[in-house]
Amino acid sequence: GALVYQYPRRTICKSGTSMRMECQAVGFQATSVAWYRQSPQKTFELIALSTVNSAIKYEQNFTQEKFPISHPNLSFSSMTVLNAYLEDRGLYLCGARDTSSYEQYFGPGTRLTVL
Amino acid sequence: GDSVTQTEGQVALSEEDFLTIHCNYSASGYPALFWYVQYPGEGPQFLFRASRDKEKGSSRGFEATYDKGTTSFHLRKASVQESDSAVYYCALGLNTGNYKYVFGAGTRLKVIA
Repeated sequence: GALVYQYPRRTICKSGTSMRMECQAVGFQATSVAWYRQSPQKTFELIALSTVNSAIKYEQNFTQEKFPISHPNLSFSSMTVLNAYLEDRGLYLCGARDTSSYEQYFGPGTRLTVL
Repeated sequence: GDSVTQTEGQVALSEEDFLTIHCNYSASGYPALFWYVQYPGEGPQFLFRASRDKEKGSSRGFEATYDKGTTSFHLRKASVQESDSAVYYCALGLNTGNYKYVFGAGTRLKVIA
C-alpha cells in the first residue's frame, strides 16, 4: 500500500534556530509533494507545492528564504524552517500525490514547538 | 478564488444516529472532490473521492455524491459509531498546471456511546 513517512514526528527548537523535516513516500511514486502547516487557528495552510524537475511554487505568505524545500527524486522531499519563531509552531504535513491517480497521501506530520 | 466551506464546525451525535456534514465548494474549473478523516495524533487519511457530476464516492459506510448544480459534496453515514469520532475534511483538487488541493476548515465529529 501507499504510505508516507515523516521524520521527525516531534521537534522542539529554540526561537531563532532552524530545523529540517523529511518526507518519504513508500509503495508509490510521488509526482508532487505539497507541504502544509496545520494549526488550531488556520486548519490547512498550503506552504508550497513541489514537483520533481519543476520550480517549487510557494503560496502567499510563505517564501523559499524561510521554508527552503528539496525534492530530489520521486520518493523523497525535505523542508527546513529557518529562523523559527513562535508563529511557526504547528503540525507540518507532507502530502504526496501518486503519479497514477489523483490521490494525495499524507504523512503523520512533524509537530514543531518553538520555545 | 477556489474554496471549500464546511458549515458545521462541530457535530455531536449518539451511536447509531444518522450523520450529515455539509460541504460546498467554489472552483474556477471542474474539480475532483475528496473527503479526508484525521484522528488525533495522525495525519489526514484519504476516505474517498468523486471526479464528476453525480458520481458517488464511498468508504467505510460513509458516502457523498458530487452535485455540480448545488456545488456540494455532503458527507453522510447512516449509523455512526464511537470509533468514527474524528475531524473530517472536505477538499477539492484542481489541475492548474500543478495539481493543487484546497481544504475546508474541518468538522469535528464526536460520537457518544
